[in-house]
Amino acid sequence: QAHLEQSEAEVKNPGASVTVSCKASGYTFTDYYIHWVRQAPGQGLEWMGRIKPNIGGSQSAQKFQGRVTMTRDTSVNTVYFGLHGVTSDDTAVYYCARSDYSVVKSWFDLWGQGTLVVVSS
Amino acid sequence: SYVLTQPPSVSVAPGKTAKITCGGSDIGTKSVHWYQQKAGQAPLLVIYYNNDRPSGIPERFSGSNSGNTATLTISRVEAGDEADFYCQVWDNRSDHWVFGGGTKLTVL
Repeated sequence: QAHLEQSEAEVKNPGASVTVSCKASGYTFTDYYIHWVRQAPGQGLEWMGRIKPNIGGSQSAQKFQGRVTMTRDTSVNTVYFGLHGVTSDDTAVYYCARSDYSVVKSWFDLWGQGTLVVVSS
Repeated sequence: SYVLTQPPSVSVAPGKTAKITCGGSDIGTKSVHWYQQKAGQAPLLVIYYNNDRPSGIPERFSGSNSGNTATLTISRVEAGDEADFYCQVWDNRSDHWVFGGGTKLTVL
């Protein structure tokens, strides 16, 4: 059964960097995009970017360009999401989610459980 | 960037029909997907490709998409349907995935 398992919650000081991992199982890791979506407390869903695990290429939303890095390790079927220079506005639950490589099939059919990131001094 | 507009809230009595709209410029030319998010949980895909249901989603959930508005319809609403609902598209111009602001469905 396909599953995405995310890393545990993080607490960071302002200005620091945070890394969240997303480990895939139960399907062929290199056949689907992994996206990152965040949700600030009491707010809606916000798409942040995606990575293509078969080649490692990534794209981030314009709002986050320069602050986000996404990498993958195909030996352990894991994607890593990094957010740099965090502020209190980055306090949120961060989700990884899967979609097909075809943009005709641009829906997210599998989600991780979410990772809470708290930025506080 | 492409913008999707949803009403902040919709209320419906049990057994009635709820309609949640998602507005966007020429959204009828795009493929719209819908997610249900219950408190403290990750989102769950309930409608994809405008009106297809994933396995396990009740037939009470349906979708439509035309012109500048996509609609999620929930028939015979149950108390367990209470949740936040989000529409989502892929924007070909920016190559970005976009969510609507979300609608809180309250079952009276």
